[in-house]
Amino acid sequence: EAGVVQSPRYKIIEKKQPVAFWCNPISGHNTLYWYRQNLGQGPELLIRYENEEAVDDSQLPKDRFSAERLKGVDSTLKIQPAELGDSAVYLCASSLAPISNEQFFGPGTRLTVL
Amino acid sequence: DQQVKQNSPSLSVQEGRISILNCDYTNSMFDYFLWYKKYPAEGPTFLISISSIKDKNEDGRFTVFLNKSAKHLSLHIVPSQPGDSAVYFCAARFGNTGKLIFGQGTTLQVKP
Repeated sequence: EAGVVQSPRYKIIEKKQPVAFWCNPISGHNTLYWYRQNLGQGPELLIRYENEEAVDDSQLPKDRFSAERLKGVDSTLKIQPAELGDSAVYLCASSLAPISNEQFFGPGTRLTVL
Repeated sequence: DQQVKQNSPSLSVQEGRISILNCDYTNSMFDYFLWYKKYPAEGPTFLISISSIKDKNEDGRFTVFLNKSAKHLSLHIVPSQPGDSAVYFCAARFGNTGKLIFGQGTTLQVKP
């Protein structure tokens, strides 16, 4: 069974440019998460989807970040415009249910903003 | 406000010995605690978990202990193997939402 797929794996952009990350969760997983992991820190939740509905986006900086999960399957996270402080690894995870004990993570996208 | 803390950034142990990774938390509303392991350039993978109503959970070489009164949990790996070398994250879950709060991680190095 394929795991969580993310692309691109690496992205280098200049500040003020837009960037988008894509995630395809494990088949059948209704819950999808986007996390940001800064250097030397643990992952921090940005947004959680139940099917196509964003049920927790309290940590998403809405002035520049947006996300969508059309049809309740794959998802896109966008930053526009990017700032230097957005350099981090962006992780996507999925789980069978909202309070499932296990979240399955993708390999992440390492973003560098110059 | 760091609700989940791993105060040791790194740990080095000899192969065959015990590795003990520690984690402290502040919020009594957490209902589950989990440990994830992360290799370079990969996402975290689930390792073991424990319910807040338990004090111990064992899975092969891995055992997690929970001390609720001290708001402290630990992961024991015995015997440690070189393949266990990775970053270990402690995470705590809010039961009503499933939201995970992660610690900063501890890098474990197991020397042959």
